[in-house]
Amino acid sequence: DAGITQSPRHKVTETGTPVTLRCHQTENHRYMYWYRQDPGHGLRLIHYSYGVKDTDKGEVSDGYSVSRSKTEDFLLTLESATSSQTSVYFCAIENGTYEQYFGPGTRLTVT
Amino acid sequence: GNSVTQMEGPVTLSEEAFLTINCTYTATGYPSLFWYVQYPGEGLQLLLKATKADDKGSNKGFEATYRKETTSFHLEKGSVQVSDSAVYFCALSDSWGKFQFGAGTQVVVTP
Repeated sequence: DAGITQSPRHKVTETGTPVTLRCHQTENHRYMYWYRQDPGHGLRLIHYSYGVKDTDKGEVSDGYSVSRSKTEDFLLTLESATSSQTSVYFCAIENGTYEQYFGPGTRLTVT
Repeated sequence: GNSVTQMEGPVTLSEEAFLTINCTYTATGYPSLFWYVQYPGEGLQLLLKATKADDKGSNKGFEATYRKETTSFHLEKGSVQVSDSAVYFCALSDSWGKFQFGAGTQVVVTP
C-alpha cells in the first residue's frame, strides 16, 4: 500500500469556521491532489500540487485553499466552511507514470 | 475537454456471473486509461491500467482493453465473487494534474 495518510478521518464543524485537512505521504512523490466525492458527482478535483510551494486549481476550487511547504505534506483549508462543503475528501499522490494512489479519506460534516 | 462516461448502476448479479462495466471516453490526445475500485468506507484503489491502444490491463481476474477505434475501456470479469461488491471508476489522464474520473458504477454481487 502507498504510504499516504489523512487526518482527521472524521470531523464535524459549524458553518463559518475554518477547517484544515492534512495529507501526509511517505513516498516522496512530487504530485499530490485533493478531491471531493459526492453522490452523483464522482470525484472532483479541488487543487493539486506539482512540488513544494507549487499548486494549481482544479474544477471546484472556490472556497478552498491549499499549501505545501514540505514534499510530504499537502494541506487543504476551508476558509469559512459552508454546508455545501459537507463531503468526503480524498488526497491522492501520483507516482510519475500517471498512477494515482488514494488516502483513506476524511468525512467532513458542516452543520 | 476530456471526459469519461460509464454505465450507471447499480449492477446486481449473482456469484460466478460474468461482469461487464462499460466505459467510453473523449480525449484530444492519447491518454492513459485506468480502472479504480472503491470498497465501502475506503479510498480508491488502482485496479488496472493501459497506456496505449490495444493494451490489455489485468489484475485479480479483471481485464480491460484500450480500444482507440471505439474510445472504450470496458471492464470485464469472468466469474464474480461477493467480495467484488464495490464501486468501480473508469478514469483517464493525459498529462500531469489532469485526471478525469467517471461517475462510478456500483456492483452488488449476491450469493
